[in-house]
Amino acid sequence: SQQGEEDPQALSIQEGENATMNCSYKTSINNLQWYRQNSGRGLVHLILIRSNEREKHSGRLRVTLDTSKKSSSLLITASRAADTASYFCATDASGANSKLTFGKGITLSVRP
Amino acid sequence: DAGVIQSPRHEVTEMGQEVTLRCKPISGHDYLFWYRQTMMRGLELLIYFNNNVPIDDSGMPEDRFSAKMPNASFSTLKIQPSEPRDSAVYFCASTRTSGGHNEQFFGPGTRLTVL
Repeated sequence: SQQGEEDPQALSIQEGENATMNCSYKTSINNLQWYRQNSGRGLVHLILIRSNEREKHSGRLRVTLDTSKKSSSLLITASRAADTASYFCATDASGANSKLTFGKGITLSVRP
Repeated sequence: DAGVIQSPRHEVTEMGQEVTLRCKPISGHDYLFWYRQTMMRGLELLIYFNNNVPIDDSGMPEDRFSAKMPNASFSTLKIQPSEPRDSAVYFCASTRTSGGHNEQFFGPGTRLTVL
């Protein structure tokens, strides 16, 4: 099964609202990353959080990591229609030689 | 930098034909990854290279799939013979492991349709 499991699978919100997406994983990790994929495009890296970090911010993005629960959350504040995309978490398992394991993704729809 | 370049962007072929997908990673990156994405199975890692050497090909579905990286700036993924179930979007990604940061840079993908 997938290392990273996101939930919910789909999320629909109104522009201006906050979007929270969750990811759970199974094994020890070096870091956890979030990516965005717009329709018909490749994945784009958003943010990386290391295993010794608990929270990280980048613009309207806030990522948390709880290694005791093996879970992470991605918060997008003040969402915009342009945030509509699929979001994936990816884990870098310890000693995995840069290999990432991706979840199946969350489809976020932001209604104007 | 132009980013990761993949060609072709779209490929339509008939069952039994050979398909070759191409990738040019970002200059200076020492890892290259091939992924396949479908609605049913999500994003699957097929194979990855480090310094042009295949490290893990356990994700390659069958012997019909092969990948090469003859030099640091070019890789191919070949399917021979192709089958309808190979229809998917194939992504190439590259990264440079430095200071614990290994974010991957993805190409635009090749959408393969096997009729």
